[in-house]
Amino acid sequence: AQKITQTQPGMFVQEKEAVTLDCTYDTSDPSYGLFWYKQPSSGEMIFLIYQGSYDQQNATEGRYSLNFQKARKSANLVISASQLGDSAMYFCAMRVSGFQKLVFGTGTRLLVSP
Amino acid sequence: SAVISQKPSRDICQRGTSLTIQCQVDSQVTMMFWYRQQPGQSLTLIATANQGSEATYESGFVIDKFPISRPNLTFSTLTVSNMSPEDSSIYLCSVQTEGGHNEQFFGPGTRLTVL
Repeated sequence: AQKITQTQPGMFVQEKEAVTLDCTYDTSDPSYGLFWYKQPSSGEMIFLIYQGSYDQQNATEGRYSLNFQKARKSANLVISASQLGDSAMYFCAMRVSGFQKLVFGTGTRLLVSP
Repeated sequence: SAVISQKPSRDICQRGTSLTIQCQVDSQVTMMFWYRQQPGQSLTLIATANQGSEATYESGFVIDKFPISRPNLTFSTLTVSNMSPEDSSIYLCSVQTEGGHNEQFFGPGTRLTVL
């Protein structure tokens, strides 16, 4: 079975600082994809970044980067230079090859303070 | 990416009634999904909406409660039938784009409150 674990229910960071949101996953399938989404209070799910299990380099998208450690089965999201607008819920998700659905973690609520 | 719209954006409904949620995508997609997010919880897949055939439901979800239509490659509906307060959730439509990393994008969601 596939499982995503996010152990940080809440995180606080000051504006302009970097923050790391933790995500560990469990699957026996060698082919999988890892996703991070941001959910502001409005409820929409905003796609941030993707990492494939065979990707040699860590994914980056602007201020977002994914610290992918395959041996540890971790896929932590790093947000650099935090902004007030980054305050939201962040979900890590996994899709295993052969299955189309995403399995989500429980989420981390990030609060950025001035 | 894909631009996804959902209607209604929110609704307040009475127990025992039904609500149909519409999902429209700006391009043809093969894979469309319906997720539920109960208050304070993560997302759970309800079903995969298949074009031209019956939807594929996840364990714990049944067609009588959540009938789904997928008449073409850009549109789907989810009906929440015979609603109870436990159905109060955000319902999200999602599509998987083809090519690239086959990312999944979500619509803005429908926030449903059942009284």
